[in-house]
Amino acid sequence: NAGVTQTPKFRVLKTGQSMTLLCAQDMNHEYMYWYRQDPGMGLRLIHYSVGEGTTAKGEVPDGYNVSRLKKQNFLLGLESAAPSQTSVYFCASRPPGRNGNTIYFGEGSWLTVV
Amino acid sequence: GNSVTQMEGPVTLSEEAFLTINCTYTATGYPSLFWYVQYPGEGLQLLLKATKADDKGSNKGFEATYRKETTSFHLEKGSVQVSDSAVYFCALFYGNKLVFGAGTILRVKS
Repeated sequence: NAGVTQTPKFRVLKTGQSMTLLCAQDMNHEYMYWYRQDPGMGLRLIHYSVGEGTTAKGEVPDGYNVSRLKKQNFLLGLESAAPSQTSVYFCASRPPGRNGNTIYFGEGSWLTVV
Repeated sequence: GNSVTQMEGPVTLSEEAFLTINCTYTATGYPSLFWYVQYPGEGLQLLLKATKADDKGSNKGFEATYRKETTSFHLEKGSVQVSDSAVYFCALFYGNKLVFGAGTILRVKS
């Protein structure tokens, strides 16, 4: 069972370059999320999606764009990378429901911007 | 808005010591509460959860009770092991979103 898969796992970018992180889930989940993890700050929500074709801003959306063209995929884009975007990025997904007790996380993508 | 505050670390304990990691929350409604654990170089794993007041979540010897009156969800373990060394995150779920605390590093020495 693949669950939630993130690619790439590691990437080094130069300032100003662009890239896309791909999150794929094979559980037919409606909801998908992108978080970033920074030391001493926990995980902060960047963007999320409540279904195919929908996206919404989270706590720290600036500098990122997302797309959910297919239900199983949630893409996170950096149009012009900055050193402040050096972080570990986690994708997550869950089915509909009130309690949120079935949230599945990917293994993380380590991004360094130099 | 909704937020989670957990005790700052790192917390350093000797093997077999008692562990408490404090977590309090602020929420506009009645959230579900979670503890996640992250081992070095890995992603997040759900450790335990509680979905309503007075619920007790437990797993692998860890416990936490949802206390609505004190808006708390403190994590406890009676006897820690070196293998418990990790980062622990308290989180709440409300309004389709999971909100995390800053995380507490736990180091257990043999």
